[in-house]
Amino acid sequence: SQQGEEDPQALSIQEGENATMNCSYKTSINNLQWYRQNSGRGLVHLILIRSNEREKHSGRLRVTLDTSKKSSSLLITASRAADTASYFCAPSGGYNKLIFGAGTRLAVHP
Amino acid sequence: DAGITQSPRHKVTETGTPVTLRCHQTENHRYMYWYRQDPGHGLRLIHYSYGVKDTDKGEVSDGYSVSRSKTEDFLLTLESATSSQTSVYFCAISESGSFTEAFFGQGTRLTVV
Repeated sequence: SQQGEEDPQALSIQEGENATMNCSYKTSINNLQWYRQNSGRGLVHLILIRSNEREKHSGRLRVTLDTSKKSSSLLITASRAADTASYFCAPSGGYNKLIFGAGTRLAVHP
Repeated sequence: DAGITQSPRHKVTETGTPVTLRCHQTENHRYMYWYRQDPGHGLRLIHYSYGVKDTDKGEVSDGYSVSRSKTEDFLLTLESATSSQTSVYFCAISESGSFTEAFFGQGTRLTVV
């Protein structure tokens, strides 16, 4: 299965702190994507990192990928209350399917 | 926002009745996906399509069928709805499958009573 597993399941922090969540997977991948879901809404794409990349940035987001450990991490710096959401990873082995894990629920408190 | 529309947005139906959910896109993307999301779970893939009349099963396809007769429409049918199919259903589209980002619809909340 190319499904990723996010860790931790839940994370609670104060505004201004950094939030780190991790994704582990079991198969070889071509890329790995991160998505955010605000309560009850559809997922929104954050970042796609390819297997030959080790790090990627987008605004306050930093994603790393370690293919030797089959893991990725998503760092959100200087968190805001608006970052409160669930975050999902989707590792892809190049097949048609887009499979998600159970996600990490992030709560950022003012 | 990507042009993707799910209909209906909310539906209550009785056990044993057939139900069809529609996903409509205006982006001309090749790939379309149907997921379900239940409390405490992530999104689970039901079926997906990689072209007109080309579909395949996902992780939880039992009790569901799909059809794609046009690029823009992907239909999900519950042949005989059961209470276990009460869920929020999301449609997604992607230009190149898992090689590119996916865009999601707003979801359909289905309740089977």
